[in-house]
Amino acid sequence: DAGVIQSPRHEVTEMGQEVTLRCKPISGHDYLFWYRQTMMRGLELLIYFNNNVPIDDSGMPEDRFSAKMPNASFSTLKIQPSEPRDSAVYFCASSPFLGRNTEAFFGQGTRLTVV
Amino acid sequence: KQEVTQIPAALSVPEGENLVLNCSFTDSAIYNLQWFRQDPGKGLTSLLLIQSSQREQTSGRLNASLDKSSGRSTLYIAASQPGDSATYLCAVMDNNDMRFGAGTRLTVKP
Repeated sequence: DAGVIQSPRHEVTEMGQEVTLRCKPISGHDYLFWYRQTMMRGLELLIYFNNNVPIDDSGMPEDRFSAKMPNASFSTLKIQPSEPRDSAVYFCASSPFLGRNTEAFFGQGTRLTVV
Repeated sequence: KQEVTQIPAALSVPEGENLVLNCSFTDSAIYNLQWFRQDPGKGLTSLLLIQSSQREQTSGRLNASLDKSSGRSTLYIAASQPGDSATYLCAVMDNNDMRFGAGTRLTVKP
């Protein structure tokens, strides 16, 4: 397996535009996590899915953020409209399950810059 | 919700020194704790995973310990090298989700 794949790697957009980040988890992993990393706040959990169902979205900062997982191999994180303070690195991670003998695997991240 | 804290926030040591990074968490009902390394502008690389039933894990010059009852983990790096310079993050997985500390930025000076 190629690991967790995120696209695009870099995104520069103008304030007010819609941004869609994509993630392909490792095949067979039931859990998918979206994180945002900034210098000020570190890695924050935004939302996670179990078997394509959103379980906890309490970390999503505002209604401008939404995430979907239409099937087991694809998830999107959408920001509409985008604002400069959304600039950050967004990571996607997947794990087989939540348990003692499982580890999470991370994608390379998407660096978002909103100007 | 689980809160994860890492101390110190930054650490600078001369090459060859042994060092310890600290991670603490507020809820001891965890599944596991994972240590990651992150190089500037890069993604996260998993270093060690300690299950809740384990006390420590070793990989090369790295040794991670876990004291679940006190909510603490340490990452010990022996004979540090300039190539160890990076940010080290700990993450705690429980039956809710996986939460990260803010990381310790390590600089090993030649």
